[in-house]
Amino acid sequence: DAGITQSPRHKVTETGTPVTLRCHQTENHRYMYWYRQDPGHGLRLIHYSYGVKDTDKGEVSDGYSVSRSKTEDFLLTLESATSSQTSVYFCAISGGQGASGYTFGSGTRLTVV
Amino acid sequence: QQQVKQSPQSLIVQKGGISIINCAYENTAFDYFPWYQQFPGKGPALLIAIRPDVSEKKEGRFTISFNKSAKQFSLHIMDSQPGDSATYFCAASGGFKTIFGAGTRLFVKA
Repeated sequence: DAGITQSPRHKVTETGTPVTLRCHQTENHRYMYWYRQDPGHGLRLIHYSYGVKDTDKGEVSDGYSVSRSKTEDFLLTLESATSSQTSVYFCAISGGQGASGYTFGSGTRLTVV
Repeated sequence: QQQVKQSPQSLIVQKGGISIINCAYENTAFDYFPWYQQFPGKGPALLIAIRPDVSEKKEGRFTISFNKSAKQFSLHIMDSQPGDSATYFCAASGGFKTIFGAGTRLFVKA
């Protein structure tokens, strides 16, 4: 999607290994979010950021950490990947808080074997 | 955990028909109710949204109906087209919190 890119698009990793997913935006938006999408669960918030070095937990944050050292980049790290973290991960950005709509990236499909 | 309940899970509609997807929420603090459309292999895209001070919003063939007292809202797709075949998510937002419904997979038969 224009203005927001995620990398990698696909990744297969082994159980117990650390994994970092990257979200890069060119919109200079203050708010950035990481969601995971699983069948039957919709999108669930992992972590979000409301500014450089300002982050907070979402509803499914266990096993995940994030960092935001620059406005444009928001990194999601799986400290020690587990099979339950196999999912599609989406980054989203917004100019305001949630009540202004999100722009989502194209997603990263992560498989933990 | 606050929920947004979305129904149906899947929907098949004839071309030219009306598609209706329903959502219900619990938290009265939510103040923004968007709908997202997602095609396979893509991220969700904002389709249309409404705030609780209005009961209906229409954009082209897409209409949101909002019932504040019942804490329910719905998406109506008029004159449904095969190109509308996608997964639709409702959501409810307030502050930093956005809760998504589980999604509805819509298939429009040509």
